[in-house]
Amino acid sequence: GAVVSQHPSWVICKSGTSVKIECRSLDFQATTMFWYRQFPKQSLMLMATSNEGSKATYEQGVEKDKFLINHASLTLSTLTVTSAHPEDSSFYICSADTSGSSKNIQYFGAGTRLSVL
Amino acid sequence: DAKTTQPNSMESNEEEPVHLPCNHSTISGTDYIHWYRQLPSQGPEYVIHGLTSNVNNRMASLAIAEDRKSSTLILHRATLRDAAVYYCILRDQGTYKYIFGTGTRLKVLA
Repeated sequence: GAVVSQHPSWVICKSGTSVKIECRSLDFQATTMFWYRQFPKQSLMLMATSNEGSKATYEQGVEKDKFLINHASLTLSTLTVTSAHPEDSSFYICSADTSGSSKNIQYFGAGTRLSVL
Repeated sequence: DAKTTQPNSMESNEEEPVHLPCNHSTISGTDYIHWYRQLPSQGPEYVIHGLTSNVNNRMASLAIAEDRKSSTLILHRATLRDAAVYYCILRDQGTYKYIFGTGTRLKVLA
């Protein structure tokens, strides 16, 4: 299957700092990417839809000024957690959509575990 | 957003078939049914998807009810590596969004 690379896989940061997470589609172009958050023993929660060349669309309750999303190319979307606090500690997962191809599915990255001290 | 309902957990013996059910009574005519599985501390892995007809691939089979209000993921011979949380998801064909339900935690017994 298609490969989506997510980096870093694990990050620890101090409260008040910002953290950037990258999501790359390695062997296909993705007009649309998605960002999810997952707390322990819970399901994935969709945070936002990232569209190449336009502003991201955020789900209800997700602060757009806190979770900055940039999708500058067809193979790269970034999520920046600004002024991180301990309650932002979570597992963040991205996916890239193959819409426009015959498959029409999402491929997921391996996730980034964020720990805010 | 259409939702799915799955049992919280299921158990299976190794090398036996497993049938994982999913209810999606509010499915719309254009929603595809997707199945993914997730191992601890990993991103979800694609398993299979379909619209109306039953589907087979090397990983599993997907049986879709005639009214499309339910589906069943079939693992023909469960192995220990199949132990995971399995998610049944409806894909919105307009926004491409996935809305994850709670999933089924499959335990495979040796």
